Amino acid sequence: KAGVTQTPRYLIKTRGQQVTLSCSPISGHRSVSWYQQTPGQGLQFLFEYFSETQRNKGNFPGRFSGRQFSNSRSEMNVSTLELGDSALYLCASSLERVNTGELFFGEGSRLTVL
Amino acid sequence: GENVEQHPSTLSVQEGDSAVIKCTYSDSASNYFPWYKQELGKGPQLIIDIRSNVGEKKDQRIAVTLNKTAKHFSLHITETQPEDSAVYFCAPRGTGTALIFGKGTTLSVSS
Repeated sequence: KAGVTQTPRYLIKTRGQQVTLSCSPISGHRSVSWYQQTPGQGLQFLFEYFSETQRNKGNFPGRFSGRQFSNSRSEMNVSTLELGDSALYLCASSLERVNTGELFFGEGSRLTVL
Repeated sequence: GENVEQHPSTLSVQEGDSAVIKCTYSDSASNYFPWYKQELGKGPQLIIDIRSNVGEKKDQRIAVTLNKTAKHFSLHITETQPEDSAVYFCAPRGTGTALIFGKGTTLSVSS
């Protein structure tokens, strides 16, 4: 069974640009959640999508957004990039809602903002 | 808001020793208590979890103990091996709308 796939794995952007990251969950999983990981702040929850609807949202500005498609694949977008957005962005999929069981993480997309 | 604290932040042990990492949480409604292991360059992976109706769970060299009254749970690794070197995260789950992870514990096992 294929795991969670995130693309791209690495990318470099400049301040002010926008970026879109993609996540393909494990087949059959309906929930996709996104996380930002930095050395200073650790793992921080961005949002969760379940059945194409955003269910939960962490404490991030509106520049961070996402969506989920009917096949459960998800994208997250960051607009007007800032230097502080440099981080590893992880997505995780799960069978049901994130507060009910195991999360399966992808290997992440490492974003560098110059 | 909900608070999750994980200690210690770094832990160095000799191969064969035991390691214990503690996670303290504030949400009394928490009912699911997982531990994740993140190796360099990879995403976190669940290594063990426990639900609120159980006090302890063991899987070979790893175990998790839960004290709901004191609102903490701990990861125990016995007979540590170099491949146990990684960052470990707790992520107690409740009914809140946001997932909160501990800050992580970097475990180094030297041979």
